[in-house]
Amino acid sequence: QSALTQPASVSGSPGQSITISCTGTSSDVGGYNYVSWYQQHPDKAPKLMIYDVSKRPSGVSNRFSGSKSGNTASLTISGLQAEDEADYFCCSYGSSNHVVFGGGTKLTVL
Amino acid sequence: QITLKESGPTLVKPTQTLTLTCTFSGFSLSTSGVGVGWIRQPPGKALEWLAVIYWDDDKRYSPSLKSRLTITKDTSKNQVVLTMTNMDPVDTATYYCAHRFCDTSGYYRYAFDIWGQGTMVTVSS
Repeated sequence: QSALTQPASVSGSPGQSITISCTGTSSDVGGYNYVSWYQQHPDKAPKLMIYDVSKRPSGVSNRFSGSKSGNTASLTISGLQAEDEADYFCCSYGSSNHVVFGGGTKLTVL
Repeated sequence: QITLKESGPTLVKPTQTLTLTCTFSGFSLSTSGVGVGWIRQPPGKALEWLAVIYWDDDKRYSPSLKSRLTITKDTSKNQVVLTMTNMDPVDTATYYCAHRFCDTSGYYRYAFDIWGQGTMVTVSS
């Protein structure tokens, strides 16, 4: 069970859109619609932003959206804001009721 | 309001056993669908899922750490305990416990919505 693959960093200017990819296998991302995304600011606990690939918990801005194609899931943030600058981690349910996280992506708002 | 808080030693020696307690409020681990997980994060690194325990006492562990981990629950005390044996400096990390997410329809999902503040554990002689 290897960690999901994410780009180490992405960046964008305020108002722009960015997309973070998360690549797994058919045993996790590709096999189940149970991908979630977490936002983590420095020295803070992670915050759930997306669950079940594309659903937003109550209170999460609709600027955040998720999708999946094959073994790769994606998080898109539109209308980038300064407060979106954080680390983002994807997560997937895997075979045998396991959970696997991605390596994390640092988002810089220029 | 759901809250979780981790507690345990801040410093352990190599080869020792780590015992962490997650004390929670606002939900019951005897309610169908409920789960509590443990996740850790070494300084400056990624999150790593460790284990989860469900309301029916089903337990799941990270395959790479399974031989070292034990997760248990005490429903009456609203606590979940994680033990990790044979600690090594590479196990230095912030350890979080987290509540399994329940959506607005009342279905529990494979995600964690409420996290504790985390507890930093350093492994050093």
